[in-house]
Amino acid sequence: KNQVEQSPQSLIILEGKNCTLQCNYTVSPFSNLRWYKQDTGRGPVSLTIMTFSENTKSNGRYTATLDADTKQSSLHITASQLSDSASYICALGFGNEKLTFGTGTRLTIIP
Amino acid sequence: NAGVTQTPKFQVLKTGQSMTLQCAQDMNHEYMSWYRQDPGMGLRLIHYSVGAGITDQGEVPNGYNVSRSTTEDFPLRLLSAAPSQTSVYFCASSYSPGDKIGYTFGSGTRLTVV
Repeated sequence: KNQVEQSPQSLIILEGKNCTLQCNYTVSPFSNLRWYKQDTGRGPVSLTIMTFSENTKSNGRYTATLDADTKQSSLHITASQLSDSASYICALGFGNEKLTFGTGTRLTIIP
Repeated sequence: NAGVTQTPKFQVLKTGQSMTLQCAQDMNHEYMSWYRQDPGMGLRLIHYSVGAGITDQGEVPNGYNVSRSTTEDFPLRLLSAAPSQTSVYFCASSYSPGDKIGYTFGSGTRLTVV
């Protein structure tokens, strides 16, 4: 079983709508929890990084939250745009950088 | 400032052939790493380096070699390609392992071994 599970696997929403992506993990503590955006055919791009003690971090229309009690993180996207169509990947960072990645959520924004 | 540059973008190899995937960064990052990304699986760490002359194994190092003679370059060598090494390979770099800014990834090399 993966240490980092993401849901849903894929999601389709209308342009302008909000959405929330989930990341559940089984290991703790960790140094940081990261969310990445990966466009098709490109490398991942960092969206947010939260330490174990933080519970929210924003980057423009992206807001990540972390609940250590339930071992869950969410990525909320506000007022979605066509350019938000991508895969979103959650990752846990441990000390000397052994990142453990989830398999991602494929988000499609339709006009 | 080009960031992280990977070459080639695409490559087809025959089983048993060897090749080197190139990775270069111009941000003076000390930390560099190689990942592979396969369908249905998260990115997995192959090898990493915390500075010139220092390398270490990640989660899936078998069949791959690395070296770090300069801060800028971190090539990944496939010694004898196998179909199981068909994957998309990403190089990443950062100032330090715990960098708050996060990794900068290259755009990837799609490798097919037939």
